[in-house]
Amino acid sequence: GENVEQHPSTLSVQEGDSAVIKCTYSDSASNYFPWYKQELGKGPQLIIDIRSNVGEKKDQRIAVTLNKTAKHFSLHITETQPEDSAVYFCAASISGSARQLTFGSGTQLTVLP
Amino acid sequence: EPEVTQTPSHQVTQMGQEVILRCVPISNHLYFYWYRQILGQKVEFLVSFYNNEISEKSEIFDDQFSVERPDGSNFTLKIRSTKLEDSAMYFCASSEALPGNTEAFFGQGTRLTVV
Repeated sequence: GENVEQHPSTLSVQEGDSAVIKCTYSDSASNYFPWYKQELGKGPQLIIDIRSNVGEKKDQRIAVTLNKTAKHFSLHITETQPEDSAVYFCAASISGSARQLTFGSGTQLTVLP
Repeated sequence: EPEVTQTPSHQVTQMGQEVILRCVPISNHLYFYWYRQILGQKVEFLVSFYNNEISEKSEIFDDQFSVERPDGSNFTLKIRSTKLEDSAMYFCASSEALPGNTEAFFGQGTRLTVV
């Protein structure tokens, strides 16, 4: 089955700097790659996603890149703010949708004021 | 903003007892899911449910587990004869069933502690 590896497990950045979180996946049939943000006491919340027919997607300060050949995808957050501090999860699915997601292990991002 | 709600937020149960975790998905959603996260480990897929039947399930979802949509609003996960290793945060999620719609909305989770 699919295996998703995520790193780093923790990341501290200064406010205003950029943060990059990377994930690799094992199943070349995976075609949907969402990123979730989880704040304390809450469930994961989708922040951005990308399908396998697209190499990059951007939404304001957040961008995701996908390299199908290398089977890795990355989350980029620019101009980080303290409210970006949370745990971020990458995930992959072969269904093209949120069905049967395989999650990475999570990255605790801390944005220092 | 519509949201997925889960009850209870924390459930403590004796080993061997049955527990039912409850979820109210977003009203117009047709796909429902359960995931779990054991402390310090990854979020793991358990089961997806559509049109009143299981559409996918993982190896974790064995005969100990069952899901049900008893009425038009609730979606439940039943764990029979709980074991210590069932202690985890259980997340319910739902999504629309439209082609190309991919966003799954997660509830805040139920922390299950088996003692």
